[in-house]
Amino acid sequence: DTGVSQDPRHKITKRGQNVTFRCDPISEHNRLYWYRQTLGQGPEFLTYFQNEAQLEKSRLLSDRFSAERPKGSFSTLEIQRTEQGDSAMYLCASSLAPALPNEQFFGPGTRLTVL
Amino acid sequence: QQQVKQSPQSLIVQKGGISIINCAYENTAFDYFPWYQQFPGKGPALLIAIRPDVSEKKEGRFTISFNKSAKQFSLHIMDSQPGDSATYFCAPITQGGSEKLVFGKGTKLTVNP
Repeated sequence: DTGVSQDPRHKITKRGQNVTFRCDPISEHNRLYWYRQTLGQGPEFLTYFQNEAQLEKSRLLSDRFSAERPKGSFSTLEIQRTEQGDSAMYLCASSLAPALPNEQFFGPGTRLTVL
Repeated sequence: QQQVKQSPQSLIVQKGGISIINCAYENTAFDYFPWYQQFPGKGPALLIAIRPDVSEKKEGRFTISFNKSAKQFSLHIMDSQPGDSATYFCAPITQGGSEKLVFGKGTKLTVNP
């Protein structure tokens, strides 16, 4: 399977703990996006990378959140001192730019539950 | 997400019927208009998309209609099938820059056999 993969698929943690998620994009894709989706809502943009450079961050991405893409391949999203409001599905997507249209391919997501 | 208003929230149709989902947007900088389909436990997947220089695009049973002056676009699913049961999102973008998707709240479609 050469699609976008995410690990873990599910994470249950206690409030105040740190969690880290990993995303492996489609291998030739230079762009990687993180979105967050809460129950009954559409995904919301968090941040994106072009190769290893993080080029935009949403105001949703508080100081407790950090994302990296060290070698322009896989990416990690870390949440420090988790809060119950962080419970959501975290989706990763990748794309090849420049390309018109810039189709984003999504992974299956990591579902985070903060108790 | 307030930039994009999607309706209805949920839709139930019979097999063989027509499903219509609407999307209204505010940001005139949007210049590419995709619809994404999401099944439970999966990430969204691109279904069909349209550029603003055309008013309609058809791919199989799926059609997008686009009204630039009204800032609206809609998804029509002809001959709806139980396998079409999913959540559908409009997610317009502005090409160039981040090209982040701006998702609507979604429409849960149920097609009864």
